[in-house]
Amino acid sequence: AQSVSQHNHHVILSEAASLELGCNYSYGGTVNLFWYVQYPGQHLQLLLKYFSGDPLVKGIKGFEAEFIKSKFSFNLRKPSVQWSDTAEYFCAVNGGSSNTGKLIFGQGTTLQVKP
Amino acid sequence: DAGVIQSPRHEVTEMGQEVTLRCKPISGHDYLFWYRQTMMRGLELLIYFNNNVPIDDSGMPEDRFSAKMPNASFSTLKIQPSEPRDSAVYFCASSLSLTQYFGPGTRLTVL
Repeated sequence: AQSVSQHNHHVILSEAASLELGCNYSYGGTVNLFWYVQYPGQHLQLLLKYFSGDPLVKGIKGFEAEFIKSKFSFNLRKPSVQWSDTAEYFCAVNGGSSNTGKLIFGQGTTLQVKP
Repeated sequence: DAGVIQSPRHEVTEMGQEVTLRCKPISGHDYLFWYRQTMMRGLELLIYFNNNVPIDDSGMPEDRFSAKMPNASFSTLKIQPSEPRDSAVYFCASSLSLTQYFGPGTRLTVL
């Protein structure tokens, strides 16, 4: 069965610090990968996605993620965080020959940015 | 497009009452998902539909929960009878070509 693991449960950073959130998945076939963000009291919003092509994906608000197939990883990065980036971040994966449209979500990482 | 629409946004009810949550997916999307989010259990997939047909309801916690999708533009999630442990935020999401778009959620409080 597919699974997604986000190693950092709670990250605290100061403004302007660099961010990297880890995401590893367990599936050996073709995968489609996503990062979603949930700001306090709001719904999940798509940050970026990877389907194929360039493994370095750029998303909204200065976020990017790198797909490393050999490491089964899709880490999220941002060179300089802002207080407004305080939110919960979810990694998700869809894979398999029988594409069901279903996403497997990680447990989420809470990011707190101190002003 | 207006995005995924959910109603009501907030619902407060008493234990034992029936609760119906509603969702209108993005037009043209062929998948619809119902999720529940709590602090304790995180984000849980309850059920999802493809072209109005339920595909997987293994996440539905109990027989008290039921979901329908009578047409491509409407779905309901019903809890009968409701219990305090059902208190959560319920999200509906729709997708076309894998990318899911979430609605604003319904915050349910069962007293």
